[in-house]
Parts: sequence; C-alpha cells; structure tokens
Amino acid sequence: GDSVTQMEGPVTLSEEAFLTINCTYTATGYPSLFWYVQYPGEGLQLLLKATKADDKGSNKGFEATYRKETTSFHLEKGSVQVSDSAVYFCALKDSNYQLIWGAGTKLIIKP
Amino acid sequence: ETGVTQSPTHLIKTRGQQVTLRCSSQSGHNTVSWYQQALGQGPQFIFQYYREEENGRGNFPPRFSGLQFPNYSSELNVNALELDDSALYLCASSPGTSTTDTQYFGPGTRLTVL
Repeated sequence: GDSVTQMEGPVTLSEEAFLTINCTYTATGYPSLFWYVQYPGEGLQLLLKATKADDKGSNKGFEATYRKETTSFHLEKGSVQVSDSAVYFCALKDSNYQLIWGAGTKLIIKP
Repeated sequence: ETGVTQSPTHLIKTRGQQVTLRCSSQSGHNTVSWYQQALGQGPQFIFQYYREEENGRGNFPPRFSGLQFPNYSSELNVNALELDDSALYLCASSPGTSTTDTQYFGPGTRLTVL
C-alpha cells in the first residue's frame, strides 16, 4: 500500500542554519504531496503542497519540489528561526479520501 | 471566513463509556475527515464523510462511528471506550474529495480514557 517515510528527529539546528527534512513516498497512482506543521499544543496547519511532478510548493520561506523520479518531496528552508520549532509532517493523498502520513520530524531551533 | 472548529477541547472518560466529538467544517466545504493522533505519532485516518454519506474508512472497529449533517458539520462517536483510545482526535474539512483538495484541520479534541 501507499506509504510515507520521513527522517527521524529530533533535528536540532542553530538559528539561520539551512534546513532539509527528507521525505520519500511509495504510491501506486499519482498522489498530491503535502507538508503540514504542528506547533506545540496546536492542530495541524498546511505548510505547502504540490499536486503533480516537478511542481514546487512554497510558503513562509519553506520550499519542497515533487520529484517523481526519486519519489521524494524534501522540505527546505534557507535560514531557520526559533519560531520554526515544531513537528513537521509529510503526507500524500492518492485516493479520493484519506491522507497518508509520515511519522513526523521534530525540529528544534536554538538561538 | 471561519476555520474548522472542534468541541470539546479536552475530555476525560472512563473505560466502557461512550463519547461524542463535534466538528464544524469551514464555510464552503462539503467533506469532513476524522483522524486519530496518538502521542508522538502521525495521524491515522478513521473515516470521511462527503455530503452526509460515509465515503471511506480506515482500519478502525465499528465502535467508531460518525455522522454528517446537512450543514456539513460532523460528529465522531466512540462506544465502549478503551484505554488505547486516548489520543488527539482531529477533524479536517475540504472543498471536495479530489486528490488535489487540501484538508484543513481543526485544533483537535484531546481525549483521555482512564
């Protein structure tokens, strides 16, 4: 079945460092891919999405490119801030109803 | 535009009891999905409702049931609560069921079963 694998955390970086969180997927169809973020004590917020191969999603300085050839959707940011500390989830939507999620990656940014 | 809201925020129940969680979808959205998120894990899909009909179901037993109302708000009911049902329950609404439709999440209901 469909699945999402993302790098284990926690990932600890200093402020202004470059961020990469890896995400790879397996899917039988042509999924849409999503990154959601969950701040402490809050629900899930959509960060960005891409709906077809080679699309790039971007928001708040974060970017991810849908790579069909490597089945990947890695999240990147050029300069992280303390306020980016959160748990990041990669997800795919292949059927007409459910999101399939990675386990989440906790990001800790130190001043 | 009002986002997705859920009630209650927190709930404590004992084993064997029944619980009802509520969700109001975002304006213009006709699809509601429910997820269970255990501590430190990604969400697990419970089921989805589209225009008042169950549209898909994950690997959850029948004691997890739901409803969607004509205004597209929704309820999740759990009977015969077990300790493992303790989790954050998330509701998400979307404008449709297409693969490209984004699901927008509410803040969740934290259920504790003692």
